[in-house]
Amino acid sequence: RKEVEQDPGPFNVPEGATVAFNCTYSNSASQSFFWYRQDCRKEPKLLMSVYSSGNEDGRFTAQLNRASQYISLLIRDSKLSDSATYLCVVNKDNAGNMLTFGGGTRLMVKP
Amino acid sequence: SAVISQKPSRDICQRGTSLTIQCQVDSQVTMMFWYRQQPGQSLTLIATANQGSEATYESGFVIDKFPISRPNLTFSTLTVSNMSPEDSSIYLCSVEPGLEETQYFGPGTRLLVL
Repeated sequence: RKEVEQDPGPFNVPEGATVAFNCTYSNSASQSFFWYRQDCRKEPKLLMSVYSSGNEDGRFTAQLNRASQYISLLIRDSKLSDSATYLCVVNKDNAGNMLTFGGGTRLMVKP
Repeated sequence: SAVISQKPSRDICQRGTSLTIQCQVDSQVTMMFWYRQQPGQSLTLIATANQGSEATYESGFVIDKFPISRPNLTFSTLTVSNMSPEDSSIYLCSVEPGLEETQYFGPGTRLLVL
């Protein structure tokens, strides 16, 4: 079983749609969780951290379910510029520094 | 966050040769990391570059193949030694600044080995 699993997609959605990505992780000792965005031929960039209470940043909402070892990202009112690969990232253990990356979910927002 | 640069941005190399990639950060950071991203795949951690001591390598990566230097808190190099076409990949450095638990990435070095 992969340490961090994501549906690779692609998710093809029209502008304005709401889309949700899910991610599961295997290490129950993980304490920190993130969503990164990676555009084609660019480096990954931090989109948002994921907190136990859930957090929202504009059109983006992240949720964490520790019991199920499950993380989600919801994007509302999709824009063309949201087209990218979204990487679910988990720290390897409670040491904090080592990150494990999921394979990414590709999103394509169409006019 | 931190501003990170990498050199070279890309290179095409012959098999059997070696390439050294540089990573420069605009501020002192304790933790620096080197990753590889093969075509169509996600990131795999190669090693943690420790200042003043040997790098800590992940399973499947060895110092002879990927020697790393970390002479100070703002700079690191990764060498890809005795290259083969299987080493064609994007190599990225990242830093974990200060109290933040997340990492910020350099722009990457695209390597093609012929």
